[in-house]
Amino acid sequence: DARVTQTPRHKVTEMGQEVTMRCQPILGHNTVFWYRQTMMQGLELLAYFRNRAPLDDSGMPKDRFSAEMPDATLATLKIQPSEPRDSAVYFCASGLPRGVNTEAFFGQGTRLTVV
Amino acid sequence: KQEVTQIPAALSVPEGENLVLNCSFTDSAIYNLQWFRQDPGKGLTSLLLIQSSQREQTSGRLNASLDKSSGRSTLYIAASQPGDSATYLCAAHSSASKIIFGSGTRLSIRP
Repeated sequence: DARVTQTPRHKVTEMGQEVTMRCQPILGHNTVFWYRQTMMQGLELLAYFRNRAPLDDSGMPKDRFSAEMPDATLATLKIQPSEPRDSAVYFCASGLPRGVNTEAFFGQGTRLTVV
Repeated sequence: KQEVTQIPAALSVPEGENLVLNCSFTDSAIYNLQWFRQDPGKGLTSLLLIQSSQREQTSGRLNASLDKSSGRSTLYIAASQPGDSATYLCAAHSSASKIIFGSGTRLSIRP
């Protein structure tokens, strides 16, 4: 059963601490997305990668957020230092472009609470 | 900049009714339009993907249409069931796989 796997599912941390979220895309998918979901803003695109290279990270606050793909099976989103306003659900999605079409498949998300 | 809007934000209908969810987008230069379902506290499940060259896609009781010229997509749900209760999100795929989401329609089917 191919699916996107995110860890941890839940994270509670104190303000100022570093948070690392991990995502394992579906095997063979070469496009990875990071989204943040809040009640106020809905789903916001933070960054996305193609073949491990970042294509667009304009939605991500650069001063504290960083996203990487150390290899094709792992994507990470790091927040340092974390702030209460970062509390949200962070989703990872992966896809495999076929021509100009990329169907995105989502993980279950990481629910982050910064206190 | 692509903006995706979904109206209404919430909808409640009795079981068995047919219903339509609406999605509009500002930039008609999209590659695909994808509909998702999200249950409370869960991730997103892909329902239908309509390619820009297509006008509609069907899966079971779901039918999604796409009109690029008017910047609109609709998701039609036939014979609604309580299990259809969820938030439905549409997402526009722009160039280079950038996917922009609407804010969703929270659907409640009353038994």
